Amino acid sequence: NAGVMQNPRHLVRRRGQEARLRCSPMKGHSHVYWYRQLPEEGLKFMVYLQKENIIDESGMPKERFSAEFPKEGPSILRIQQVVRGDSAAYFCASSPTDRGRPQHFGDGTRLSIL
Amino acid sequence: SQQGEEDPQALSIQEGENATMNCSYKTSINNLQWYRQNSGRGLVHLILIRSNEREKHSGRLRVTLDTSKKSSSLLITASRAADTASYFCATAGQYSSASKIIFGSGTRLSIRP
Repeated sequence: NAGVMQNPRHLVRRRGQEARLRCSPMKGHSHVYWYRQLPEEGLKFMVYLQKENIIDESGMPKERFSAEFPKEGPSILRIQQVVRGDSAAYFCASSPTDRGRPQHFGDGTRLSIL
Repeated sequence: SQQGEEDPQALSIQEGENATMNCSYKTSINNLQWYRQNSGRGLVHLILIRSNEREKHSGRLRVTLDTSKKSSSLLITASRAADTASYFCATAGQYSSASKIIFGSGTRLSIRP
């Protein structure tokens, strides 16, 4: 019973490139959440998705960031034209339902921008 | 914002002692959750306490909730070196129909051998 799988674990990009972060939720989970964490800080909510729908993207920057959770395949967090300030750990979590149920987390993708 | 805030930010205790961490929040909640994060890893859910509950136990963990003060505490008894981690509280809003949970900034717990 695999947990939430995120890949890659580490991603290095140069300024101006694109970063694609993938998340496969736990089996049977249809709700996916993306968070961003800076060193020594808490998690900042970015976006909440169900299959093929964005439910809440109130934490997503308006430009350069997008997320999707297609009918088939993993959820993708895409960052275009990356800048140094995008360097962070990005975590994905999944749950079987919403309503504030406990979330299961992946081990994150650490994005470094050169 | 209903974001939880943990107190203290950092705590260092001797192995075997009890560790207490506190969390305060701002708005009405459906439930409050505690998570642990080991260095370089994702968060692991520890315990959930509903708004109509006052205390909950799970192994060496004891969580209390005071909705009148909008606060919660996490007590870890008989601490072990393996308890060294960051601990986060997270609140689920009472009225949001698609309730995301909001995380606090965490308490970094160090257990000295």
